[in-house]
Amino acid sequence: EVQLLQSGGGLVQPGGSLRLSCAASGFTFGSYGMGWVRQAPGKGLEWVSTITGTVGRTYYADSVKGRFTISRDNSKNTLYLQMNSLRAEDTAVYYCAKEMWVPPFDSWGQGTLVTVSS
Amino acid sequence: EIVMTQSPATLSVSPGERTTLSCRASQSVSNNLAWYQQKPGQAPRLLIYGASSRATGIPVRISGSGSGTEFTLTISSLQSEDFAVYYCQQYNNWPWTFGQGTKVEIK
Repeated sequence: EVQLLQSGGGLVQPGGSLRLSCAASGFTFGSYGMGWVRQAPGKGLEWVSTITGTVGRTYYADSVKGRFTISRDNSKNTLYLQMNSLRAEDTAVYYCAKEMWVPPFDSWGQGTLVTVSS
Repeated sequence: EIVMTQSPATLSVSPGERTTLSCRASQSVSNNLAWYQQKPGQAPRLLIYGASSRATGIPVRISGSGSGTEFTLTISSLQSEDFAVYYCQQYNNWPWTFGQGTKVEIK
């Protein structure tokens, strides 16, 4: 059974940094693309970033480009999202997600809340 | 960026009824279109990929159709567990984009 266990959310001040983690199990982690999707309170879904499986190519939404970095450690079966220069508008529940053998995302983590506020 | 527009924003439907949700792309996304269901406090759940292929475990009463810029999600006979918010997503071009969602509520 695919499991994605997220950690690392919380309250951070504007301009601060936070790293989210997503520990994966139940599948061959390194073979699959992974990504992050966020949802601001009461709003819809917003794709944030994707990292491919084997090559590790990365893609970002314009709203986070240059501030967020997606990475993966295939030896630890873990996905990361390093978030720097955080803004109030980054406040959201962040979900990690696994792709099928190709897009889209077919399995999701439980979500973790990131609150950017002074 | 491809803009995904869903309609209507809210659907009021009685259990057992058939309902159709629409999703329009601002430019062609071929058949690279997914539908997700989300219930309050839960992560999204993949329903349909490739515009018309059901994900694992999705019942046959849920179906998707369309290609290019016009897509539909049909639920043939609404069950209590189908009342939720539904999102379409294109994955044909970066950045991937979601529609704003359609809420299906009990009439």
